[in-house]
Formats: sequence, C-alpha cells, structure tokens
Amino acid sequence: AQSVAQPEDQVNVAEGNPLTVKCTYSVSGNPYLFWYVQYPNRGLQFLLKYITGDNLVKGSYGFEAEFNKSQTSFHLKKPSALVSDSALYFCAVRDPSWGGATNKLIFGTGTLLAVQP
Amino acid sequence: DAGVIQSPRHEVTEMGQEVTLRCKPISGHDYLFWYRQTMMRGLELLIYFNNNVPIDDSGMPEDRFSAKMPNASFSTLKIQPSEPRDSAVYFCASSLLAGGSLQTQYFGPGTRLLVL
Repeated sequence: AQSVAQPEDQVNVAEGNPLTVKCTYSVSGNPYLFWYVQYPNRGLQFLLKYITGDNLVKGSYGFEAEFNKSQTSFHLKKPSALVSDSALYFCAVRDPSWGGATNKLIFGTGTLLAVQP
Repeated sequence: DAGVIQSPRHEVTEMGQEVTLRCKPISGHDYLFWYRQTMMRGLELLIYFNNNVPIDDSGMPEDRFSAKMPNASFSTLKIQPSEPRDSAVYFCASSLLAGGSLQTQYFGPGTRLLVL
C-alpha cells in the first residue's frame, strides 16, 4: 500500500545549526513528493515539491529537499535554522493509483521542529 | 489573490446539532479538497471535487457527513447530527490542473470544530 512515513515526532535543533526532517515513502510508481509547513493555528503552507528532474529541490524560506530513489527518501533540509522555522512539517506523496494528473495526496503524520535560540 | 477562504474559523456546538462548514477556493482552481486533522489520526482526506463534481468520497467517515459544491467558487461540508468525536480542524484546499501538469494544493486556514 502507498504510504509516507515521518519517523521523528519531534526534531530539536539550535538556531544557526543545520536541520534535517526525515521522510520516507512507499509507492508503486514514480512518486510526486511534497513538503508542507503548518504554523500554530494556521493552514498548511506549501514549501517545495519533487516531480522529476534534479534530485535536489529548492523551496521557500531557504529549505531544500533531496530525493533519493534508492533509499525511497525525501528529507527536508536547511543549512542554518531560525527560531521562526519552529512549526509542524508534513511530507506528502501523490497517490499513483489515480490516473492522470490528479492531485490526491497521502500525508505523513508530521514532525514538530523546535529551534532553540 | 485572497487564497482559500474558510468560514467559520471556530465553531462550538452541542451534540446532535447540524454543522455547516464553508469554503471558497482560489479563483480558477478546478480541484477542491476537504481534510480533517486530529491528534489521533493526523491529516485525513475526506472528499475531493473536480470541476464541482465529487470524485472520491471514500474518506467521508459516515453518512452523517456530506459535502456539496454547487458552483466553482463555493463548497460546504455538513455534519448532521454532530458528535463529540467529530471535534477536529477541518481544512479546505484547492488546486489547479494546468496543461496536464500537476499543481500544488493550497490550504485554507481551517475551521476548528468543537462538539460538546
């Protein structure tokens, strides 16, 4: 069955240090992968996506993610964390069981990123 | 663009009452999604529409839940009768399929529902 896993409920990092939020996926076809961020009492905001092409994808707010097909991973990274990056991060994969280019997504359980000053 | 608009932002009701959540998608978007977020189950897709037509409602938990999209700029999610276990944050999202190219889903701010 198609799924996406975020193995860490919470990631703690000091401001200025690099951060990584992990995501692995399991799909039958070629995955379309997304990262979203949710700030308290807000909706999800799109950060970046991988569809095809370069394995390193750059997104909003200095975030980037690397698609690794052999490890079925799509980890989110940032070279230098900010306190304002503290939020809930969701990885999502497009459900390839649907035909065409429909945008039905499977979301991970979310990882809470806490950046300490 | 104003983004996806949801109303109300907060709703407190008593068990057994009817609840109606509203969503206005981004103008021009042809896909609309309703999600529910809880601590226990995370983010769940309830139903989605394409060009106002429901495509997949397999995530709708029970017959108490219904959703409509009478036109391209408005959708409702109704719960009748409501139960305490329906308490959650409900999100609406919209997306555009342009030239066969997969587009991003944009989320509204959500409606926080509490059923007493």
